[in-house]
Amino acid sequence: ILNVEQSPQSLHVQEGDSTNFTCSFPSSNFYALHWYRWETAKSPEALFVMTLNGDEKKKGRISATLNTKEGYSYLYIKGSQPEDSATYLCALATGNQFYFGTGTSLTVIP
Amino acid sequence: DVKVTQSSRYLVKRTGEKVFLECVQDMDHENMFWYRQDPGLGLRLIYFSYDVKMKEKGDIPEGYSVSREKKERFSLILESASTNQTSMYLCASSLLEGRDTQYFGPGTRLTVL
Repeated sequence: ILNVEQSPQSLHVQEGDSTNFTCSFPSSNFYALHWYRWETAKSPEALFVMTLNGDEKKKGRISATLNTKEGYSYLYIKGSQPEDSATYLCALATGNQFYFGTGTSLTVIP
Repeated sequence: DVKVTQSSRYLVKRTGEKVFLECVQDMDHENMFWYRQDPGLGLRLIYFSYDVKMKEKGDIPEGYSVSREKKERFSLILESASTNQTSMYLCASSLLEGRDTQYFGPGTRLTVL
């Protein structure tokens, strides 16, 4: 079992603020690092898949980076909006399964 | 769009009951997964299946079994439900191997009294 850690556990920001959170993992031997957004009462939604050291992905105001050498990925949200409120999960894909972090719960206050 | 559906959003059962959680995906995916999610813990893999009638144990299979008779359907079975199986259960599917994006259902919140 791989220990994937996310920090912070929860975050409250004002609308318009930019924010970022971290996913840390112990291994450089994996297929991919996935980010998901999980809104209350909905299915977790795939945001990004990253595989290579230095990968950067962007989707609107959300972007992510991957550093496999030091074992972390950052997720950035620029100009947070209330609809960004959700739990953000990262998962390490290795072998036949994913190992998930505990998530960062983001609340954006209007 | 991939659609993964789960039979119930909320379920309340009594200790000792046999419980079936059903999951159906409509995109002809090879792999299907069952997870549970508990406060303070990440999603933990219970079982997965990479083909019809094939199954593999995940990290926490004790107290559960699974069935995959058709490609699109993956069932999680609690043979004799216990209170420590109260949890959110999520089903997911993916096209190919472990690196592929997994697509999730909305979850079933199971309460065992």
